[in-house]
Amino acid sequence: ELKVEQNPLFLSMQEGKNYTIYCNYSTTSDRLYWYRQDPGKSLESLFVLLSNGAVKQEGRLMASLDTKARLSTLHITAAVHDLSATYFCAVLTMGRRALTFGSGTRLQVQP
Amino acid sequence: NAGVTQTPKFQVLKTGQSMTLQCAQDMNHEYMSWYRQDPGMGLRLIHYSVGAGITDQGEVPNGYNVSRSTTEDFPLRLLSAAPSQTSVYFCASSNEWYEQFFGPGTRLTVL
Repeated sequence: ELKVEQNPLFLSMQEGKNYTIYCNYSTTSDRLYWYRQDPGKSLESLFVLLSNGAVKQEGRLMASLDTKARLSTLHITAAVHDLSATYFCAVLTMGRRALTFGSGTRLQVQP
Repeated sequence: NAGVTQTPKFQVLKTGQSMTLQCAQDMNHEYMSWYRQDPGMGLRLIHYSVGAGITDQGEVPNGYNVSRSTTEDFPLRLLSAAPSQTSVYFCASSNEWYEQFFGPGTRLTVL
């Protein structure tokens, strides 16, 4: 059974600081997704990582994937208040094309 | 192109009532899925479909039924609602490149 673990579950950080969210998963998968969710809203796709060593960047967010370690990271650079949200990683089960999600990391960026 | 749509947005039921959550997509995607999201948790897969006429169970299928008579529609039926089914429900579809598209969600309360 595929399990996905994120940590930390809650992160309070000051504007301008850097931090990393970690996502571990238990079985091999070809695709890892990162999503952002604002309160009361649906999921917004941030990144899809397809292969070992993949790195993608968008603004202050950078995601990477190490398939051998079954680990993905989401790095936040010089955080700003607008990044406050809950971030989820999710791993694809190929046959179903459905996702197994981590529990989410609630990020709060303090001015 | 409306993407993935869900109705209703909000619903309150009494224990024992039945109802159907509607999901439709206009992107001609074969793969569709239903998730539930409980507070402080990631999304969990209820049922999924790999094409019209084909459905299967996810992680938490008990108390829910699905059918897929057309490519566009994937309704989720609650047979006899229970308070434990109070949750936010998301429908998603997936294209041939494994991109995932989520609907806006249905917030369900069972009293």
